[in-house]
Amino acid sequence: EAGVVQSPRYKIIEKKQPVAFWCNPISGHNTLYWYRQNLGQGPELLIRYENEEAVDDSQLPKDRFSAERLKGVDSTLKIQPAELGDSAVYLCASSRGLAASTDTQYFGPGTRLTVL
Amino acid sequence: SQQGEEDPQALSIQEGENATMNCSYKTSINNLQWYRQNSGRGLVHLILIRSNEREKHSGRLRVTLDTSKKSSSLLITASRAADTASYFCATDWVDTDKLIFGTGTRLQVFP
Repeated sequence: EAGVVQSPRYKIIEKKQPVAFWCNPISGHNTLYWYRQNLGQGPELLIRYENEEAVDDSQLPKDRFSAERLKGVDSTLKIQPAELGDSAVYLCASSRGLAASTDTQYFGPGTRLTVL
Repeated sequence: SQQGEEDPQALSIQEGENATMNCSYKTSINNLQWYRQNSGRGLVHLILIRSNEREKHSGRLRVTLDTSKKSSSLLITASRAADTASYFCATDWVDTDKLIFGTGTRLQVFP
């Protein structure tokens, strides 16, 4: 089966510009996650969707970050405006939809964002 | 930080040797998972161990969990150059339904 698809793979923007990341999860996976991974660190959860509902967005900086998952399939994560500290790899993952803690998460290759 | 701590931060070994990396965490957990991340690639799930388990095997991987010490170890036996990657533990804390990733161990296996 096809894996989690993310685009773009790389993005370089100037600060204060907007940026958007797209994710297509594995077919049939109800749960979708967005993580941010800073250099030399592990991923940190930004938001988790169960179908089209955001069930955990407690770590999402809502002043500048937004996300949506229309029709419970693809998802878009947006940053507006971007700041220098947003430079990181943004990972999307999906899982079948059991408990997040025991459900195997399948990760995409990530989008490496550089903010200049 | 909510993340667990892994040690060592970096490890270099020769092919054929065993690699051991450790993970310590801060609070009670339901389970602990290990993931691998190759350079330029996404994370791949390796193994899950539940809080009531003490040891688990998968191929050349052996994971132990000591809940009294809040620690886990990942042993890779007979390592290969292809095992070169960063390894992360991820814990599911009791009363949460999310994974908290550690800071990772960077493993380099030389041919």
